[in-house]
Amino acid sequence: QQQVKQSPQSLIVQKGGISIINCAYENTAFDYFPWYQQFPGKGPALLIAIRPDVSEKKEGRFTISFNKSAKQFSLHIMDSQPGDSATYFCAATGRSNYQLIWGAGTKLIIKP
Amino acid sequence: GAGVSQSPSNKVTEKGKDVELRCDPISGHTALYWYRQSLGQGLEFLIYFQGNSAPDKSGLPSDRFSAERTGGSVSTLTIQRTQQEDSAVYLCASSLLVGNTGELFFGEGSRLTVL
Repeated sequence: QQQVKQSPQSLIVQKGGISIINCAYENTAFDYFPWYQQFPGKGPALLIAIRPDVSEKKEGRFTISFNKSAKQFSLHIMDSQPGDSATYFCAATGRSNYQLIWGAGTKLIIKP
Repeated sequence: GAGVSQSPSNKVTEKGKDVELRCDPISGHTALYWYRQSLGQGLEFLIYFQGNSAPDKSGLPSDRFSAERTGGSVSTLTIQRTQQEDSAVYLCASSLLVGNTGELFFGEGSRLTVL
């Protein structure tokens, strides 16, 4: 029940296309869902996060869509660019819980 | 410093040796985390500090692993009698807030290679 399942494991998208990464969770107590972006040789960095009181959050070309009833959330990258090539991790945690539960990661490659 | 600093950035050691990995969190961040990331894999939680105490050590893989934090700041992860399966990148993260509202700020990691 503590797992966060992330898919796909890897993704190749043409420049200008839409990249979509999906995550699913079981624990209904989760109420904070961040996405982290990791470039090779670097630590992960927070990209965007959402709470379940909204169904969508957009920051520039990055959008999180959240489906509370399905217990799923996804990251959409519009107009994908080669600079977006990185590994993306979804995560989840519950109120007053110190620990993030991480997805396994998606390696995204944007082809020029 | 402006961010989380980890040292060494790279460490090559022989099987059976002890290693120490250091983490300098962002000043004022009370929460500190250690993670392990094997090549091309996800993040494996090791230990969490709140101040100088470690309420959760459940992720430490064996009793060869230990960690401490002093002065509510610097943390050291020690691996005794290293094994080849310990080879990985060890990431440290810090957070200003306790709980799920705290963004984690990661260092660039310490890459450990055990020959």
